[in-house]
Amino acid sequence: GDSVTQMEGPVTLSEEAFLTINCTYTATGYPSLFWYVQYPGEGLQLLLKATKADDKGSNKGFEATYRKETTSFHLEKGSVQVSDSAVYFCALSETDSWGKFQFGAGTQVVVTP
Amino acid sequence: DADVTQTPRNRITKTGKRIMLECSQTKGHDRMYWYRQDPGLGLRLIYYSFDVKDINKGEISDGYSVSRQAQAKFSLSLESAIPNQTALYFCATSDHAVSDTQYFGPGTRLTVL
Repeated sequence: GDSVTQMEGPVTLSEEAFLTINCTYTATGYPSLFWYVQYPGEGLQLLLKATKADDKGSNKGFEATYRKETTSFHLEKGSVQVSDSAVYFCALSETDSWGKFQFGAGTQVVVTP
Repeated sequence: DADVTQTPRNRITKTGKRIMLECSQTKGHDRMYWYRQDPGLGLRLIYYSFDVKDINKGEISDGYSVSRQAQAKFSLSLESAIPNQTALYFCATSDHAVSDTQYFGPGTRLTVL
């Protein structure tokens, strides 16, 4: 079945450091890929998405590129801020299904001043 | 006002009690979902509903039931709560005519003693 694997956390960084969170997936079809962010005490918010191979999603300085050849959707940000401290979830949705989501386990990111 | 609301936000209950978690949305979306979040496991789907008359089990539906009272309301019930149902519960919605992006409520933290 479909699955999403993302790097374990916590990831601890200093402010202005470069952030990468690895995400790989297995899917039978051609999924859409998502990154969601969960700030402390809140629900999940869509951060960015990509719907087909080679698409790049971007938002708030974060980027991720849909790589079909490596089945990956790594999240990157060039210069993190303390306010980026959160849990980040990679997820996929199969296009030939009813929109069922498969989530990764989540990666906690802690940014220190 | 938030588009997806959940009540209560926090609940402590005892083993064997029946409880209901409620979700309401003002987004006009047709699809609604219930997930539970456990540390290190990401989000797992409990039930989902395409419309008022269409309700389906997710991957971990045992011990839970749902009711779609209206397009805007989707309730999750624990018939006889047990301690391993202690978790963070999220409701989500999507509009299948637009995209498969899901929008999440703020969550309900449930503790079963």
